Amino acid sequence: GAVVSQHPSWVICKSGTSVKIECRSLDFQATTMFWYRQFPKQSLMLMATSNEGSKATYEQGVEKDKFLINHASLTLSTLTVTSAHPEDSSFYICSARDLAVNQPQHFGDGTRLSIL
Amino acid sequence: GDSVTQMEGPVTLSEEAFLTINCTYTATGYPSLFWYVQYPGEGLQLLLKATKADDKGSNKGFEATYRKETTSFHLEKGSVQVSDSAVYFCALSVNSNAGKSTFGDGTTLTVKP
Repeated sequence: GAVVSQHPSWVICKSGTSVKIECRSLDFQATTMFWYRQFPKQSLMLMATSNEGSKATYEQGVEKDKFLINHASLTLSTLTVTSAHPEDSSFYICSARDLAVNQPQHFGDGTRLSIL
Repeated sequence: GDSVTQMEGPVTLSEEAFLTINCTYTATGYPSLFWYVQYPGEGLQLLLKATKADDKGSNKGFEATYRKETTSFHLEKGSVQVSDSAVYFCALSVNSNAGKSTFGDGTTLTVKP
C-alpha cells in the first residue's frame, strides 16, 4: 500500500535553530500534502495544506513565516520551523494524498521536535 | 463547517470484550468517512473507510457502517485484544474542501489482559 516517509523521527535542538522536516510519498504522487501539529493527548491540528508547485495555504493562526512549507515535487514536501523556541516543541505529522484518484490521506510516522 | 464528534475516552476494556466507539458528524457536502488508529509515538494509520451511505468498512476485525440518516460512523469490534490498545480517530473528508480531513478528538482505548 501507499507509504509516506517522514524524516527525522526525532530531533532535539537549541532555541533559535531552524529545523527542517521532510515528508515523502514513496509509491504514489502526492498532489496534496498536509502538515499537522499534535499536542500530547490531543487531536491533530491542521497547520497548512500544500499543493505541488504552489504556495501553501495556512490555517488561521499559523504563522507562515515561522513554519515554511515547500512542496517542490509530487513526492516531497518540507516543513521548516524557523528560529525554533521551546513553545514550538510538539509532534509534527505530515500526510499525503493523490486527489486525482480520491485516495484517503496516508500519514507519516511523525517527528518529535524538542527545543531546549 | 464540518465537524466530527467522538465518544470521549479513555475506554478501558478486558480482553475479548466488545468494543463500540461512537462517532457522529456534520458536513456541508457528501463526505467520505474514516477511522484512523495511532499507536504511541507513531503517526496515524488508516484502519477503515466508507465512501457512501450504507457502505461498511472493515479491517482487522473492526467494522463501521456509514449511516447517513443518523450521520454516524460508529466503530465496533467483537473481541478486542491487548494489541488493539491505541488512540482511535474518526475523520471525514469532503473533496470540495481541498481534500482536507476533519478529525474527531480521538478516543484512547486500553485493553487489559
